[in-house]
Amino acid sequence: AQSVTQLDSHVSVSEGTPVLLRCNYSSSYSPSLFWYVQHPNKGLQLLLKYTSAATLVKGINGFEAEFKKSETSFHLTKPSAHMSDAAEYFCVATNSGGSNYKLTFGKGTLLTVNP
Amino acid sequence: DGGITQSPKYLFRKEGQNVTLSCEQNLNHDAMYWYRQDPGQGLRLIYYSQIVNDFQKGDIAEGYSVSREKKESFPLTVTSAQKNPTAFYLCASSTLPQGLGNQPQHFGDGTRLSIL
Repeated sequence: AQSVTQLDSHVSVSEGTPVLLRCNYSSSYSPSLFWYVQHPNKGLQLLLKYTSAATLVKGINGFEAEFKKSETSFHLTKPSAHMSDAAEYFCVATNSGGSNYKLTFGKGTLLTVNP
Repeated sequence: DGGITQSPKYLFRKEGQNVTLSCEQNLNHDAMYWYRQDPGQGLRLIYYSQIVNDFQKGDIAEGYSVSREKKESFPLTVTSAQKNPTAFYLCASSTLPQGLGNQPQHFGDGTRLSIL
């Protein structure tokens, strides 16, 4: 069975400092992995996706994530946090090459950015 | 602009009442999905459809019903059988898988349903 674990339910950083949101997955198959961002009372917006090409994936708004198969991790990073980055972030997995209906969501990490 | 439109943004339900949430997309996507979001629980799949006139139950389908009469529309009905309907409901769509990897889902802005 597939599962996604976001290791921190809440991360707080100061504006201008690096952001690290951690995600581990478990899957019997080669996964596709995504990070989404959700602002209050809004839908989810895709930040980036990994689909078995380059292990370092660059996304929108300066975010990037690295797929590490040996560690079963897909952590999201950003060198310098901005106030507008404050939101909830979801790590999501699905089975590469299979039916894409079955997304497995992490429980989310709430990012707070302090001035 | 292409996208997914959910309406209404806020909805209130009385006891014993059925309510229908609208979801329309103009992205020409074949697949559409309904999720329920509760605080601290991430998203849970209610129903999905990969083709017109066909849909499948997700993980928490009890108390909900859907239809898919048109490619661009996938309404969700929350029936009186759903005893705890208060939640944020999200509709999504995607293309069908092509080649390596899977296609990301695109989300609407949600409908917040509350009980009166």
